[in-house]
Amino acid sequence: DSGVTQTPKHLITATGQRVTLRCSPRSGDLSVYWYQQSLDQGLQFLIQYYNGEERAKGNILERFSAQQFPDLHSELNLSSLELGDSALYFCASSVALYNEQFFGPGTRLTVL
Amino acid sequence: AQSVTQLDSHVSVSEGTPVLLRCNYSSSYSPSLFWYVQHPNKGLQLLLKYTSAATLVKGINGFEAEFKKSETSFHLTKPSAHMSDAAEYFCVVSEPTSGTYKYIFGTGTRLKVLA
Repeated sequence: DSGVTQTPKHLITATGQRVTLRCSPRSGDLSVYWYQQSLDQGLQFLIQYYNGEERAKGNILERFSAQQFPDLHSELNLSSLELGDSALYFCASSVALYNEQFFGPGTRLTVL
Repeated sequence: AQSVTQLDSHVSVSEGTPVLLRCNYSSSYSPSLFWYVQHPNKGLQLLLKYTSAATLVKGINGFEAEFKKSETSFHLTKPSAHMSDAAEYFCVVSEPTSGTYKYIFGTGTRLKVLA
């Protein structure tokens, strides 16, 4: 158990819908990262937050957004969902910007 | 830009035999390197990390890796494979970029352990 929690574990929804994935980092970690893992694209970095501020963006679609709240938990919002958004979404956290990342168990999103 | 190449997409070993998972990196900086393991339908678990201290790094579950700057390699080894080692393994380099650090993942090596 890494200490990073993600909810929900599984999410099944329809095309065009909007969902919110939630992540609580390890106690004391200030940085949160979001990744998407799919069979065809592997692990893709989406976005990073540090102490409430966005620090880096990766291959995040405009339909996706994220934020980190004052209590340091983070949410990833996915809207206008398409079939191709079906994937495992991981959250990771680290103490600071350069430390190793600890990954949560993931949320499996299925878009029908 | 930094990059990571995992030289084998699949490796099969017999239980009790040594494991070698190969990773090469390219870097303009003194890199931080990591190995992660992912069991089916699970998150990534940190096995070990290299951050410019000892070149031979010991990790969890009997794994270790050696940083070889001259060969730009960071291969993962284990003396004796166990059935529970069957999983996907990712080599990662941490890259400084625009005031932060970003992980660059290898494409993964799927380890199969035969009874």
